[in-house]
Amino acid sequence: DVKVTQSSRYLVKRTGEKVFLECVQDMDHENMFWYRQDPGLGLRLIYFSYDVKMKEKGDIPEGYSVSREKKERFSLILESASTNQTSMYLCASSADDSNQPQHFGDGTRLSIL
Amino acid sequence: AQSVTQLDSQVPVFEEAPVELRCNYSSSVSVYLFWYVQYPNQGLQLLLKYLSGSTLVESINGFEAEFNKSQTSFHLRKPSVHISDTAEYFCAVRRGSTLGRLYFGRGTQLTVWP
Repeated sequence: DVKVTQSSRYLVKRTGEKVFLECVQDMDHENMFWYRQDPGLGLRLIYFSYDVKMKEKGDIPEGYSVSREKKERFSLILESASTNQTSMYLCASSADDSNQPQHFGDGTRLSIL
Repeated sequence: AQSVTQLDSQVPVFEEAPVELRCNYSSSVSVYLFWYVQYPNQGLQLLLKYLSGSTLVESINGFEAEFNKSQTSFHLRKPSVHISDTAEYFCAVRRGSTLGRLYFGRGTQLTVWP
């Protein structure tokens, strides 16, 4: 089975801090994704990556950046955390074949105080 | 961009009743369709998928979904729900040319009452 591991289940940070969310997958998938999930808004794509050192903006990239130095790891960075970034963050990965689903981690619930 | 509409944000039902969760997507030439389920405090799990072939697909826990190309729909059904089916359900669409990107609906919260 595919395993997508997010480094923290719960995280509390202060406004203005630089925050790193880490995600690792063990299936050699080419594609990796970061979403945020908010009540009533569903999942919104922040960034995704289709190869090492490659990244594409999703629908809500403002205030975030990403890093993919190794194929198995995809990091989400909040450059200067703000209270409106309090949310559930979900990481996913998928193989390159167009008919393959995404596999999700358990999520990181991030609170910015 | 692809859009996915889940017509009901909340669906309350009694145990053992049938349920249908509706999903419509904007038309596209080649799409792959998915339903995901999210239990409280967990990530999303794949429930079932339509790739090609038979338009009716089934999951191992009694859910089924039917791909209807003319109506651009992929509704999820279960003839008799259990309390353990209480969860949020997401419909998602993938196009062949989008670098693996999925487009999600906003989700439907299914609550099963005893």
